[in-house]
Amino acid sequence: EDKVVQSPLSLVVHEGDTVTLNCSYEVTNFRSLLWYKQEKKAPTFLFMLTSSGIEKKSGRLSSILDKKELFSILNITATQTGDSAIYLCAVVGWGKLQFGAGTQVVVTP
Amino acid sequence: DSGVTQTPKHLITATGQRVTLRCSPRSGDLSVYWYQQSLDQGLQFLIQYYNGEERAKGNILERFSAQQFPDLHSELNLSSLELGDSALYFCASSVAGGAPTEAFFGQGTRLTVV
Repeated sequence: EDKVVQSPLSLVVHEGDTVTLNCSYEVTNFRSLLWYKQEKKAPTFLFMLTSSGIEKKSGRLSSILDKKELFSILNITATQTGDSAIYLCAVVGWGKLQFGAGTQVVVTP
Repeated sequence: DSGVTQTPKHLITATGQRVTLRCSPRSGDLSVYWYQQSLDQGLQFLIQYYNGEERAKGNILERFSAQQFPDLHSELNLSSLELGDSALYFCASSVAGGAPTEAFFGQGTRLTVV
C-alpha cells in the first residue's frame, strides 16, 4: 500500500530560526513529489520535484528530493510568523496524488 | 486565486440526506481530484477523474459517488449522510492524468451534518 509519512507532526520555533521538514514515501510508479502550504483553507502549491539531488528554491524556502532513499526535505530559513501553517507533502503516482498528514509549523514572535 | 471553483462554500444538512458538491477545474485541466479533510485526519484522497473517466479511486465510501461531465466540471454526491461525514471537501485539478504536474486546489466546501 502506498504511504506518505511526514515528520515531525508539529513544531514551534522562534522567528528567525530555520526549520527542516521531512517527507518519506513508498509509492508505486512514482512521478513527482509536491509540497503545499495550507493556512486557513485551500493548500497552495510550493514546489514540484521530479529529479534527485536538484534543489528547488523560492525565497527562503527550498526543497530537495532523494529518489534512492525515498524522501524529501523542505527547509525554511529565517522564519517569519507568516510561515505558520501546515505543510503538506504529496506524491504523484500513476493517476493518484497522495498526501501525508502534514507538519504543523508555528512561528512565534 | 487558483482558478478552481467549488460550490457551495458551506453546506449544513441533516443526517440521512443527500448533497451534491460541484467543482469547476482550471481552464485546460483535464484531471479532477476529490479529497476529504476532517479535523482529526489529513487530506484523504477520494477519487480522480481524467477527461470524463474515472482514473483512480481512494478511500471513497460506497455512499459517495462522483462523475465528470463533458465540460470537465465534476460533482461529488454524498448520500445517507452521517455525522462523521462532516468535513472539508476539496477539489483539485491538474493538466494531465498521470504525468508529473502540480495540482491546484479550490477553496473547499465545508459540509456540516447535524
